[in-house]
Amino acid sequence: DGGITQSPKYLFRKEGQNVTLSCEQNLNHDAMYWYRQDPGQGLRLIYYSQIVNDFQKGDIAEGYSVSREKKESFPLTVTSAQKNPTAFYLCASTVTGLNTEAFFGQGTRLTVV
Amino acid sequence: QQQVKQSPQSLIVQKGGISIINCAYENTAFDYFPWYQQFPGKGPALLIAIRPDVSEKKEGRFTISFNKSAKQFSLHIMDSQPGDSATYFCAASKESNTGKLIFGQGTTLQVKP
Repeated sequence: DGGITQSPKYLFRKEGQNVTLSCEQNLNHDAMYWYRQDPGQGLRLIYYSQIVNDFQKGDIAEGYSVSREKKESFPLTVTSAQKNPTAFYLCASTVTGLNTEAFFGQGTRLTVV
Repeated sequence: QQQVKQSPQSLIVQKGGISIINCAYENTAFDYFPWYQQFPGKGPALLIAIRPDVSEKKEGRFTISFNKSAKQFSLHIMDSQPGDSATYFCAASKESNTGKLIFGQGTTLQVKP
């Protein structure tokens, strides 16, 4: 089955620690995205990548880092510089082109303890 | 300029009724307007999307109405069913990068049997 796999589903982190969220897709999509979702708010874009070895900051990139070494993978690192990291993180991907649907993974819920 | 405003925040509808959710955008450069449905603990899934060259698009029980001059668009769910109970997000982007979305705040819909 084609799709986007995010792991783990739940993640707990101690304050001051970096943590990496995994996102893998087998849809052969060129572009990948990371969004953050907080209760009562819409999704907000953290980073996106339209080709391998290239990525751009979204609206709330501070405290996060990404890499895109392979087309299928776009991991997100939440660093200790992120002041309020507890949230639901969603990865998405699209084919490059006009009017194409963005497919989302099932999300990772990160909690800082 | 980048905001998408969505209302109402929550909505309760009787089974068989019509659910209506409204959105307004500011950036006239947006030319792709999708609606996403999200169930608790899951990633959003595309319901229906519209481009500004049409005023209405219908897919089954779901209809998007689009008013370009007012910079507003809305989702109508006809014959609402308990299975439609979910959170709905409107969004906007440029057609050239449909994964780079600006989301509304979301509407939690409850359909009572």
